[in-house]
Amino acid sequence: EAGVAQSPRYKIIEKRQSVAFWCNPISGHATLYWYQQILGQGPKLLIQFQNNGVVDDSQLPKDRFSAERLKGVDSTLKIQPAKLEDSAVYLCASSLEVGRHSEQYFGPGTRLTVT
Amino acid sequence: AQSVTQLDSHVSVSEGTPVLLRCNYSSSYSPSLFWYVQHPNKGLQLLLKYTSAATLVKGINGFEAEFKKSETSFHLTKPSAHMSDAAEYFCVVTLNTGFQKLVFGTGTRLLVSP
Repeated sequence: EAGVAQSPRYKIIEKRQSVAFWCNPISGHATLYWYQQILGQGPKLLIQFQNNGVVDDSQLPKDRFSAERLKGVDSTLKIQPAKLEDSAVYLCASSLEVGRHSEQYFGPGTRLTVT
Repeated sequence: AQSVTQLDSHVSVSEGTPVLLRCNYSSSYSPSLFWYVQHPNKGLQLLLKYTSAATLVKGINGFEAEFKKSETSFHLTKPSAHMSDAAEYFCVVTLNTGFQKLVFGTGTRLLVSP
């Protein structure tokens, strides 16, 4: 089966510019996650969707970050405007089940560099 | 609050020798624990998970981990390291919510020398 797809793989922008990342989860997976992984740290959950709805966005900096999941499939994460500290790898993951034992499948990530 | 502490940021072993990656957890209830591996420029992959069914958990590629409640530990081991095991390893705990919320440790980089 095809894995989680993400694009672009790399992006370099200047601070105060805008950027968007795209994620296509595994077919049939109702739950989708966006993580931020800063160099030298573990991934941190930004937002979690269950179908079209947001389950958890408590750690999403809502003044500059936004995310949507249209029709319960693909998702986009946007940063506007970007800051230097947003430089990180942005990971998308999906899971078939919703329980705390379920396995999350991760995409390869988008490496963002803000200069 | 639930959290995990990975005790080593880097571990170096020789090919063919045992691997031990240490993880301690903090949880107010019986946790679900995972180990994920991240190879360079690749996505995170689940190695194994503990869900209270058995304390010794076997995963992929010969890895296993033992849940020890008395020591609040969930160390990852492998009898014999391969060069392909060189990667970043994350110990992960889930929060006790209706939905799964993973809390990652800071990671341990495993280096394998010939």
